[in-house]
Amino acid sequence: QSVLTQPPSVSGAPGQRVTISCTGSSSNIGAGYDVHWYQQLPGTAPKLLIYGNSNRPSGVPDRFSGSKSGTSASLAITGLQAEDEADYYCQSYDSSLKVFGGGTKLTVL
Amino acid sequence: EVQLVESGGGLVQPGRSLRLSCAASGFTFDDYAMHWVRQAPGKGLEWVSGISWNSGSIGYADSVKGRFTISRDNAKNSLYLQMNSLRAEDTALYYCAKDSSYGSGTGDWFDPWGQGTLVTVSS
Repeated sequence: QSVLTQPPSVSGAPGQRVTISCTGSSSNIGAGYDVHWYQQLPGTAPKLLIYGNSNRPSGVPDRFSGSKSGTSASLAITGLQAEDEADYYCQSYDSSLKVFGGGTKLTVL
Repeated sequence: EVQLVESGGGLVQPGRSLRLSCAASGFTFDDYAMHWVRQAPGKGLEWVSGISWNSGSIGYADSVKGRFTISRDNAKNSLYLQMNSLRAEDTALYYCAKDSSYGSGTGDWFDPWGQGTLVTVSS
């Protein structure tokens, strides 16, 4: 069981908007710790997508956005494209440890 | 270009040891904390261990504490993971990842990641 809870899967048609939630608790996200998001394309290493809750590294399209409120965080993807089909992971901090969500598989229909 | 290249993975019997290495280039290695993150086949990501820039702060996941030892050699731009008493559940792709800061703080993230080295624990 992951400390951070994500839905196992989400899906959407090209051009649509999807969101992926990351639910934590008062010992991690709720304690004020930042949330970061990673994208893992099939057969590749994870890549940083969002850092510090809502910041995009250079090169990441503005179709990707992050937010955080209370004990949860969300990743939103607008204008869904076939190339967005991947696994997405949230990451934060809890009890002196780095923690990940269980991951969400995004399927582009 | 920042590059992280892991090596040392392979097939090992339960109870035996293995040492992973990560060669870093393209950045000032001793300015950053470093981490090992693993991914079991078909599963999600699990943080394994992290080490600050000067090895003064080290942390381990409960699942490996007492069996794994992280270390670094700043003169060689290299990160290591000594894995002892290996178990079947340690089977995974092990990634080396650069921290966003020097001290592996509470708000830090991982960027970039290496391509990983596969460790298989089986008799």
